[in-house]
Amino acid sequence: KAGVTQTPRYLIKTRGQQVTLSCSPISGHRSVSWYQQTPGQGLQFLFEYFSETQRNKGNFPGRFSGRQFSNSRSEMNVSTLELGDSALYLCASSLVGTGTSTDTQYFGPGTRLTVL
Amino acid sequence: AQSVTQLGSHVSVSEGALVLLRCNYSSSVPPYLFWYVQYPNQGLQLLLKYTSAATLVKGINGFEAEFKKSETSFHLTKPSAHMSDAAEYFCAVSVESGYSTLTFGKGTMLLVSP
Repeated sequence: KAGVTQTPRYLIKTRGQQVTLSCSPISGHRSVSWYQQTPGQGLQFLFEYFSETQRNKGNFPGRFSGRQFSNSRSEMNVSTLELGDSALYLCASSLVGTGTSTDTQYFGPGTRLTVL
Repeated sequence: AQSVTQLGSHVSVSEGALVLLRCNYSSSVPPYLFWYVQYPNQGLQLLLKYTSAATLVKGINGFEAEFKKSETSFHLTKPSAHMSDAAEYFCAVSVESGYSTLTFGKGTMLLVSP
């Protein structure tokens, strides 16, 4: 079974631009979560989608948004990029995202975003 | 709210030595606990997880962790380090609140010398 895939793997943008990252979950997984990883703040939860609905959201500004499609693929968008948005963005998928003992999150390789 | 503290941002061991990576958690309800490993330029790979079935949890690559409620700890161990174990290790917690959102520690970089 194929793992979580993320595209693109690397992105370079300039301040003020916007960016869209894509995540394809493991087949059969309906929950997709996004995390931001930076050297200073570590791994922080952005948001989680299930059945095309955002169910949970972390403490990030409204410039960070996402969506999920009917095939469970997800995209996240960052508008008006700032230098501090440079990070590794990780996507994780799980069966239903309910936090039960059998519902584990599996991570993709991440998208490395550099903002100049 | 839950939180995770990993003691030591860097741990150095010699090949063949015991690996001990420390993790303490804070949670108002019984937690699920996880250890993930991250190799350079890669995502997170699940090593093992505790879900209240057994306090000693065995994972992949010879790693294991023991849940100690009285100490609120979930330390990761491996009897004999290999060079290939050099990576960053993250402890994470989630609670059965309807969401599988993970709260991560800051990570511990494991360095293995020959």
